[in-house]
Amino acid sequence: DAGVTQSPTHLIKTRGQQVTLRCSPKSGHDTVSWYQQALGQGPQFIFQYYEEEERQRGNFPDRFSGHQFPNYSSELNVNALLLGDSALYLCASSSTLDTQYFGPGTRLTVL
Amino acid sequence: QQQVKQSPQSLIVQKGGISIINCAYENTAFDYFPWYQQFPGKGPALLIAIRPDVSEKKEGRFTISFNKSAKQFSLHIMDSQPGDSATYFCAASIGAGAGSYQLTFGKGTKLSVIP
Repeated sequence: DAGVTQSPTHLIKTRGQQVTLRCSPKSGHDTVSWYQQALGQGPQFIFQYYEEEERQRGNFPDRFSGHQFPNYSSELNVNALLLGDSALYLCASSSTLDTQYFGPGTRLTVL
Repeated sequence: QQQVKQSPQSLIVQKGGISIINCAYENTAFDYFPWYQQFPGKGPALLIAIRPDVSEKKEGRFTISFNKSAKQFSLHIMDSQPGDSATYFCAASIGAGAGSYQLTFGKGTKLSVIP
């Protein structure tokens, strides 16, 4: 049984560009949460998707948006990239009966 | 405002020793307290978790101690091994472990176990 998968593994963008990150949840999970982990810090909650709707949102600007598809996979979009957006972006999947399990993350570098 | 405070920031332990990491929380609505282990270049992996209706939970060499009145919880790693060298994060959420609520993380503790 595959766990949470994310793509791509690494990504390099320049300031002002837009980026899309992808996540496939663990089998049986219907909820996807996204976290940003800056170097040397703990993950910070961006938002959570359930039934194709954003259910909760952390303290992140509107430049961060997402989507969930009918198969429960999800995308994270970041517009107008800033240098400070460089981080490891983590996807976690869960269900109402199971806790959150994390994927390996996407390392985003903004130059 | 940091809702989960973790200490120490880094820890060096001799092989076979006990590693202890502490966390304190502020939000009394939290009712699920997991610990995650993260190796460089990898995502966090769930290690062990506790709910506030018990004061201690043990899984192999890993034990969580929980003090509800003090709003503190800690991770003890017995017989620490070099393979335990990683960054450990405490976290907290509402919803008794169901995945419906966001996790709030501490800043992490980098553990180094030396031979």
